[in-house]
Amino acid sequence: AAGVIQSPRHLIKEKRETATLKCYPIPRHDTVYWYQQGPGQDPQFLISFYEKMQSDKGSIPDRFSAQQFSDYHSELNMSSLELGDSALYFCASSFTGTGPLEQYFGPGTRLTVT
Amino acid sequence: QKEVEQNSGPLSVPEGAIASLNCTYSDRGSQSFFWYRQYSGKSPELIMFIYSNGDKEDGRFTAQLNKASQYVSLLIRDSQPSDSATYLCAVKRYSNYQLIWGAGTKLIIKP
Repeated sequence: AAGVIQSPRHLIKEKRETATLKCYPIPRHDTVYWYQQGPGQDPQFLISFYEKMQSDKGSIPDRFSAQQFSDYHSELNMSSLELGDSALYFCASSFTGTGPLEQYFGPGTRLTVT
Repeated sequence: QKEVEQNSGPLSVPEGAIASLNCTYSDRGSQSFFWYRQYSGKSPELIMFIYSNGDKEDGRFTAQLNKASQYVSLLIRDSQPSDSATYLCAVKRYSNYQLIWGAGTKLIIKP
């Protein structure tokens, strides 16, 4: 079965640079979620989109922005990168039907800021 | 106090035994409950979800939900070394799409 695709898988940036992470949800899934996970921490919810509109907002810094496009893929844009932004970034997707909205995660993008 | 609480562990269980993982939550409006398994450096993998009181079984895994006591548990029967991972409990509120995550329990299955 098709899974969530994320690119790139690894990214190295310097402080104050920008980064763009991409997420392609499971086909027919209409909701995308972005998470940040530091070492030894649980996933921190950043933001989600349902049908291309922002549905929930978590602890996303103002330096970050995201959007969902007409083909349902999503991009997380990160500017003025800081050392503390080094983390695993996961995208998850779900289908908004009558079910419990279980989220399926992509493999993640490991961002290293030097 | 976190909204979703888990014992961080590590929980050490002999191979072949039953591993019992527990999670409590504070929001009575919580609607659905999820267990994810996460290996180090990998993404969380959905194991099971439950939204009705009682037990739900899937292979070696059983999820148990008690809404009155506000806890959800995961039992792993016939534990294997490959079950060694961090198990994350996640709870969905009725009001939005967001999952509230526990900090995870590290499970170690000893051969």
